[in-house]
Amino acid sequence: DQQVKQNSPSLSVQEGRISILNCDYTNSMFDYFLWYKKYPAEGPTFLISISSIKDKNEDGRFTVFLNKSAKHLSLHIVPSQPGDSAVYFCAASRYSGNTPLVFGKGTRLSVIA
Amino acid sequence: KAGVTQTPRYLIKTRGQQVTLSCSPISGHRSVSWYQQTPGQGLQFLFEYFSETQRNKGNFPGRFSGRQFSNSRSEMNVSTLELGDSALYLCASSLEGPGNTIYFGEGSWLTVV
Repeated sequence: DQQVKQNSPSLSVQEGRISILNCDYTNSMFDYFLWYKKYPAEGPTFLISISSIKDKNEDGRFTVFLNKSAKHLSLHIVPSQPGDSAVYFCAASRYSGNTPLVFGKGTRLSVIA
Repeated sequence: KAGVTQTPRYLIKTRGQQVTLSCSPISGHRSVSWYQQTPGQGLQFLFEYFSETQRNKGNFPGRFSGRQFSNSRSEMNVSTLELGDSALYLCASSLEGPGNTIYFGEGSWLTVV
C-alpha cells in the first residue's frame, strides 16, 4: 500500500518554462511534506518543505502548494533550468517529528535547452 | 558546516558475507536514520536512532541492524547478504524537534555478487 504516490515517472520541460511535479498521499496523519532532488549516485538534496498549516511555501524558483482536502501537493519550478534535470522525490511525515519519511517513487525531470 | 558523511562510498560483497556501513551526522544532529534505495522499491526506511536507542524501525528482516554511538555516529550492518540487498544505502540526520529538515549523505553503494 503506497502512502505517497508520484504518478508521473518522468516529465520533460523546455528551459525557461514551468515544471510542475505532482504528489498524492493517502495517510491523513501526514502533516509535513518535503521535496528532495536527487542526481545519480548522490544522496537526496533537500529543496523545500511545507507543513499542513500552510497551503503554499516559496523559496526562490521553487514553490510548493498543498491541497489538504485533496491530499495533493505539487512542486512548481519557474523558470526551469537544465541543471534542474534530476529525480524529484516527494516525502511525507509528521510535523511533530520522531517519525520516518515516507517517500514517493520519484519523478525524473528533464529540462531541455 | 560538514554534511552527513558516509563510508565507504562503494563496495562489492559476496552473497553470504556481512557488511558494515558507517555514518557521521551533521554536527549537533542526534537523530540518525537509514534508508535503502532500489530501482523497484524506491526509498524505504530501515531504522532511526536517537541518543543511542533505536526509536523507529522499518519493515526489514532481522539481518539488517544498526547502532548509534555516544557521539551520534551510526553504523548499520547487514548479515548473510543476498543478491537483493544490492542497493544504495542512505544515512540521514536531523535536529530533534518539530518540523526539522532531514539531511542525507551521499550514500553507500553496495553490490552483492
